Amino acid sequence: KQEVTQIPAALSVPEGENLVLNCSFTDSAIYNLQWFRQDPGKGLTSLLLIQSSQREQTSGRLNASLDKSSGRSTLYIAASQPGDSATYLCAVTDSNYKLTFGKGTLLTVNP
Amino acid sequence: DAGVIQSPRHEVTEMGQEVTLRCKPISGHDYLFWYRQTMMRGLELLIYFNNNVPIDDSGMPEDRFSAKMPNASFSTLKIQPSEPRDSAVYFCASSFSGYEQYFGPGTRLTVT
Repeated sequence: KQEVTQIPAALSVPEGENLVLNCSFTDSAIYNLQWFRQDPGKGLTSLLLIQSSQREQTSGRLNASLDKSSGRSTLYIAASQPGDSATYLCAVTDSNYKLTFGKGTLLTVNP
Repeated sequence: DAGVIQSPRHEVTEMGQEVTLRCKPISGHDYLFWYRQTMMRGLELLIYFNNNVPIDDSGMPEDRFSAKMPNASFSTLKIQPSEPRDSAVYFCASSFSGYEQYFGPGTRLTVT
């Protein structure tokens, strides 16, 4: 059974700092990996999707990497802003379209 | 496109009552997924449909839960009878390929 772990569970940083969120998964037979953002009381917004054949994806200040063989992904956020404060979820998709989520990292960016 | 639409956004009901959650997927998407999010267990897949047909319901917790998709534009998740431990946020997601899912805003269910 696939398990996804996210470290740290919570992170508090000052505005402007670069930061890294970590995600690991136990079964490397994934189709893709997605990073989502969830604001309190809201739904999930997809940030980046990395296909299993890719190593990284970039969108603006966000960069996600994938090392499928070692079962790891990182989400790098450059020059963090208070508006980046949210819970960040990592999820992997298997060949049967099932998404397995981590518990998330709660990020607080202090002005 | 309006995205995935879920209703109601909030539902408060008493134990033993029937609860029906509704979802309208993005037009043209042929996959629909129902998830449940709790503090203890995080986000879990309950069931998913392809072309209105249930494909995998192994995540449905008990017989009290049922889901239907009568057409490509509508799906329901029903809980009967509801229990306090069913309190959670229920998300619907849809997809064109099955591999990139778009989530609705969720329904926050409270069973007292």
